[in-house]
Amino acid sequence: DAKTTQPPSMDCAEGRAANLPCNHSTISGNEYVYWYRQIHSQGPQYIIHGLKNNETNEMASLIITEDRKSSTLILPHATLRDTAVYYCIVRLTSYGKLTFGQGTILTVHP
Amino acid sequence: DAGVTQSPTHLIKTRGQQVTLRCSPKSGHDTVSWYQQALGQGPQFIFQYYEEEERQRGNFPDRFSGHQFPNYSSELNVNALLLGDSALYLCASSLSWQGTGELFFGEGSRLTVL
Repeated sequence: DAKTTQPPSMDCAEGRAANLPCNHSTISGNEYVYWYRQIHSQGPQYIIHGLKNNETNEMASLIITEDRKSSTLILPHATLRDTAVYYCIVRLTSYGKLTFGQGTILTVHP
Repeated sequence: DAGVTQSPTHLIKTRGQQVTLRCSPKSGHDTVSWYQQALGQGPQFIFQYYEEEERQRGNFPDRFSGHQFPNYSSELNVNALLLGDSALYLCASSLSWQGTGELFFGEGSRLTVL
């Protein structure tokens, strides 16, 4: 699986959009981009995933660049409960292992 | 609908001992994976079970073994415990045929080795 690079930490004001970047410059054409988050003392939680097209669900939006070398997870209206570690993961198949990196610690401030 | 449940939630062992951790997958899920998460690190893949067989394995020694039962529940066994085995052990379940590949994680079992 391709390696990902994320900033170690980010801050966001409550109610504003949180934009979390991820670099995956060695991604291959059939690898998916997944996002998970882990709130303190809980197991990771699936957020969203995509292959080529932008995706949106009730939690977030995923924007993947045309060359697929980077992506951005967007939380449109961040709340204090969105404070967590966010992991960007590149995965070859839908049933394969998840390779977690260090992730981005997102802190949402009042 | 119960999610992924793990037991015990916390346990303390001494070096050299053996430990068994248990996992019940989300209702209807047939695939179980185990991850180890050391303090301050991301989870690391140990292995995955499907149809009662180990299908994939991460870079962990043979001291780590597992089992999946006909009801899809699973156990993780660690023999000859080392201090470095202290970690949060996470179980995740999924549906083998589900295209999204979404994994549902439990709250984990916190193992401390003294």
